[in-house]
Parts: sequence; structure tokens; C-alpha cells
Amino acid sequence: AQTVTQSQPEMSVQEAETVTLSCTYDTSESDYYLFWYKQPPSRQMILVIRQEAYKQQNATENRFSVNFQKAAKSFSLKISDSQLGDAAMYFCAYRPLHSGNTPLVFGKGTRLSVIA
Amino acid sequence: DAGVIQSPRHEVTEMGQEVTLRCKPISGHDYLFWYRQTMMRGLELLIYFNNNVPIDDSGMPEDRFSAKMPNASFSTLKIQPSEPRDSAVYFCASSPSAGPQPQHFGDGTRLSIL
Repeated sequence: AQTVTQSQPEMSVQEAETVTLSCTYDTSESDYYLFWYKQPPSRQMILVIRQEAYKQQNATENRFSVNFQKAAKSFSLKISDSQLGDAAMYFCAYRPLHSGNTPLVFGKGTRLSVIA
Repeated sequence: DAGVIQSPRHEVTEMGQEVTLRCKPISGHDYLFWYRQTMMRGLELLIYFNNNVPIDDSGMPEDRFSAKMPNASFSTLKIQPSEPRDSAVYFCASSPSAGPQPQHFGDGTRLSIL
């Protein structure tokens, strides 16, 4: 079974600084998708960034970027120029590339605090 | 565009009562997922549908849980009878079928069973 591990239950970062959240996963599939979701105190689940495993180029979305290491099965999220609004739980998620859609497998999350 | 709509946002009820959670997916999305979030177990899949047909319900914890999708625009998750250990946040998510399409989540229902 596929598993996703986020080894950092909590992280903190100074406003305007950079922070990296770690995620590793275990799968025997060769093609799959990876996602980072943000969950602020409002409880919404907001997509931050996604990566297709068959693409070598790391995905970027404004201040958010990933370091995707397929051989190491690692998918870390880098947040640059951290803002107070970045404070939230961050979940790493995986799903295999099958025809159609499939459920997400989530890590346990990392709680990010941003210090003013 | 309207997102995934869940109701109620909060539900507090006594043990033994029937609870019904509702979800309206995004129009045109043919996949619908129900997830449960708890402190102990994190986010876990309960059941998902494709074109209104249940595909995998292996995550449904017990026979007390049931889910239906009578049409493309509506799904329910029912717990009968409810127990305190069912207290959690229940999310509904929908997505289109093809490609790396992300799942779009509703705001969740926080369920408290006293």
C-alpha cells in the first residue's frame, strides 16, 4: 500500500524568510501525481501545488516551489518570503496515475507557524 | 464558479441519533470522494463514487455508515446510530476524471457526538 510520511509535525519560520517542509512517500508505481494542500484554521483544504511524476521539472507557483526527487521518493515544499497568511497545516498527498481518478493518500501534516 | 458545497457546517448531536451529511459536487465533476479527518488518523478515505456509482467503500468503518449518490449533483453520508468516536471533520471532494486534476474540497462538516 502507498504511504506518505511527513516527518515534521511542526515547523516555524520568521516572516519574509524561507522554509522547507519535507515529504516522503512509498509506492511501487512508476507514474503518479503529488500534491501539497494547505489547511488554515478556517478548515478549508486549498491546493498549493501539484507535480506529475513523469515531469522532471520541479513545479512552481509564485512563492511556492517543490523539490521532487523521484529516485529518493521525496517531495519537499519550499515557501519563499513567508507571510503571516502562510500559517496553516500543510498536507502532502499522493495518487497513482490510473485512468480516471483515484483517492488521495495523505501524510499526517506539518503545522507551520509564521513569526512576525 | 461555485465550489463543493457541504452542509451542515457543524453538527452536534447525542449518541444514538442518526446523522446525515450532505454534499453538492462541482458541476461537471464525475468523481466524488468522502474523507474523514481526525487527530489520531489524519485524513482518510471513506468512500468514492464515479458517475454516481460507488467504486470503493473499503474505508467505511462499519455498517453504521452508509453513503449514496442518487444523482450527479448530490451525495449523502449517513451514520446510524452515531457514536462519540464518530466525532471528526468530514470532507467531501470532487474532481473531473482525466489527467492530474486536483480534488476540490468542500469546507467540511465538523461532527460532534455527545
